[in-house]
Amino acid sequence: KQEVTQIPAALSVPEGENLVLNCSFTDSAIYNLQWFRQDPGKGLTSLLLIQSSQREQTSGRLNASLDKSSGRSTLYIAASQPGDSATYLCAVIGSRLTFGEGTQLTVNP
Amino acid sequence: EAGVAQSPRYKIIEKRQSVAFWCNPISGHATLYWYQQILGQGPKLLIQFQNNGVVDDSQLPKDRFSAERLKGVDSTLKIQPAKLEDSAVYLCASKVQGANTIYFGEGSWLTVV
Repeated sequence: KQEVTQIPAALSVPEGENLVLNCSFTDSAIYNLQWFRQDPGKGLTSLLLIQSSQREQTSGRLNASLDKSSGRSTLYIAASQPGDSATYLCAVIGSRLTFGEGTQLTVNP
Repeated sequence: EAGVAQSPRYKIIEKRQSVAFWCNPISGHATLYWYQQILGQGPKLLIQFQNNGVVDDSQLPKDRFSAERLKGVDSTLKIQPAKLEDSAVYLCASKVQGANTIYFGEGSWLTVV
């Protein structure tokens, strides 16, 4: 059974900092890994999708990496802004889409 | 392009009552999912449809939860009777068959009192 763990559970940083969110998974037999953002009271918005054959994906200030062999992915956010405050969820796509518990990020002005 | 639509957005019911949630996926998306997200946790898959057929319902509590997608488009998720621990957000998502990206609706928030 796939298990997905996200560390830290919560993170509070001052505006402008670069930060890294971590995701680990137990079964490396995956097709893709997807990072989502969830704002309070809202659904999930897809940020980045990394296919199993890829090592990383970039979109603006976001960069996600994938190391299948070690069962890890990181989401790097450069020059964080208060608008980045949200919960970030990692989801592993194998036989089923399995989510981590999320990292709640607060960026303080 | 219209997104995944869900209703109602919010519902408060008493325990042992029943509730139904409706989802209209993005047009052309054959795959539809229902997820349950308890506050502070990640979403958990309840059921996955491919057109109107069930692909995975292994985590659906079938004694009280049911879901259908009769014409391969809209779907309904029903809970009867509800328990306090069913308080959660119920997220519907859809995707094109064979595609990678999944699109989520804004969720239906259920409080059981």
